[in-house]
Amino acid sequence: EDKVVQSPLSLVVHEGDTVTLNCSYEVTNFRSLLWYKQEKKAPTFLFMLTSSGIEKKSGRLSSILDKKELSSILNITATQTGDSAIYLCAPRSGGSNYKLTFGKGTLLTVNP
Amino acid sequence: GAVVSQHPSWVICKSGTSVKIECRSLDFQATTMFWYRQFPKQSLMLMATSNEGSKATYEQGVEKDKFLINHASLTLSTLTVTSAHPEDSSFYICSAKRDGDTQYFGPGTRLTVL
Repeated sequence: EDKVVQSPLSLVVHEGDTVTLNCSYEVTNFRSLLWYKQEKKAPTFLFMLTSSGIEKKSGRLSSILDKKELSSILNITATQTGDSAIYLCAPRSGGSNYKLTFGKGTLLTVNP
Repeated sequence: GAVVSQHPSWVICKSGTSVKIECRSLDFQATTMFWYRQFPKQSLMLMATSNEGSKATYEQGVEKDKFLINHASLTLSTLTVTSAHPEDSSFYICSAKRDGDTQYFGPGTRLTVL
């Protein structure tokens, strides 16, 4: 059975802090890993990672995949209150059984 | 690009009735769409994979006769919750697969069964 564990489950920081969110996974025929941000409604896409060690960056957010350790991290620098959300990671299993398995997410709260 | 819409955004119905939820990819064609369910403070649970022109593939534990999925075109998939009961109350989210591995999510439908 595919497993995804995210840590921490929740995190409270002040504006301007830097945070690191963790995701570890065990999936059959791993192909890629996706990060999403979920506010009040459905998730919005952040990153897709396929290769180990190559950082993807978008503004203050960045993410990297470690296939050897079966893990990924999502960094957010200079956090803002608008970053408050649940961050979900979802590894994708490959082959004909295309499927994303979602972790429980990390609830990030950024206080002013 | 990569916009996915869902309709309705919320619905309240009586126990025993059926509810249809539509999922549309607005600016791209999606051969594959997915239906998820999310209970409060839980993660997204995949219910089924919907392929255009063929039968949906359901995840273990999801009743295919209760959750009817139709993917009639490359831009539309529908989920019908038949004979809904209060325990079916949840947040239903669809997604559409565009290029490669990326899925784009609709805004979700909040179903409340009285």
